[in-house]
Amino acid sequence: AQSVTQLGSHVSVSEGALVLLRCNYSSSVPPYLFWYVQYPNQGLQLLLKYTSAATLVKGINGFEAEFKKSETSFHLTKPSAHMSDAAEYFCAVSEADSARQLTFGSGTQLTVLP
Amino acid sequence: EAQVTQNPRYLITVTGKKLTVTCSQNMNHEYMSWYRQDPGLGLRQIYYSMNVEATDKGDVPEGYKVSRKEKRNFPLILESPSPNQTSLYFCASSAKGLAGETQYFGPGTRLLVL
Repeated sequence: AQSVTQLGSHVSVSEGALVLLRCNYSSSVPPYLFWYVQYPNQGLQLLLKYTSAATLVKGINGFEAEFKKSETSFHLTKPSAHMSDAAEYFCAVSEADSARQLTFGSGTQLTVLP
Repeated sequence: EAQVTQNPRYLITVTGKKLTVTCSQNMNHEYMSWYRQDPGLGLRQIYYSMNVEATDKGDVPEGYKVSRKEKRNFPLILESPSPNQTSLYFCASSAKGLAGETQYFGPGTRLLVL
């Protein structure tokens, strides 16, 4: 069975500071990993995904994530936060043999302070 | 424009009054899914469909029904809504339902059951 843990339900950073959102997963088979972003009153939008190619994945809006198998982690980072990055971020996992696809973490609300 | 649409976007109803939330996608996707989002719990899958006339339960199917008579539509039916079904609901689709595929989400339907 697959599962996802997002550490920190709320994260605050200053504008221009590093953004680090943590995600750890559990999977019995090689996983596929995703980060989605949800802006207020909107649906989820894919930021980036890992599908067993390069371990460092670059996404939209300057975000990137690194797959670390030894740590079962897929943390999301951005070097310099912008006010427009304020949103809720969800990490999700999918297993190769799963027809049900995505299992989501509980989400991290990112606040960017001026 | 490729999209997933949901109707209605907002709904207030009373306990026991049957309702249907519609979902439609114009991308010719085979896989469709319903999720509910609750604070602190992330998104949980209610039902999914691998293709027309092929539906299956997700993690939280109790109190819900679905049907898939056409490829583009995947309505969510609450036969007798209860207050614990107050939530934000998302429909999603992907091309084949394969692991690693990007899922595309609708804008969400916010339901309040009194």
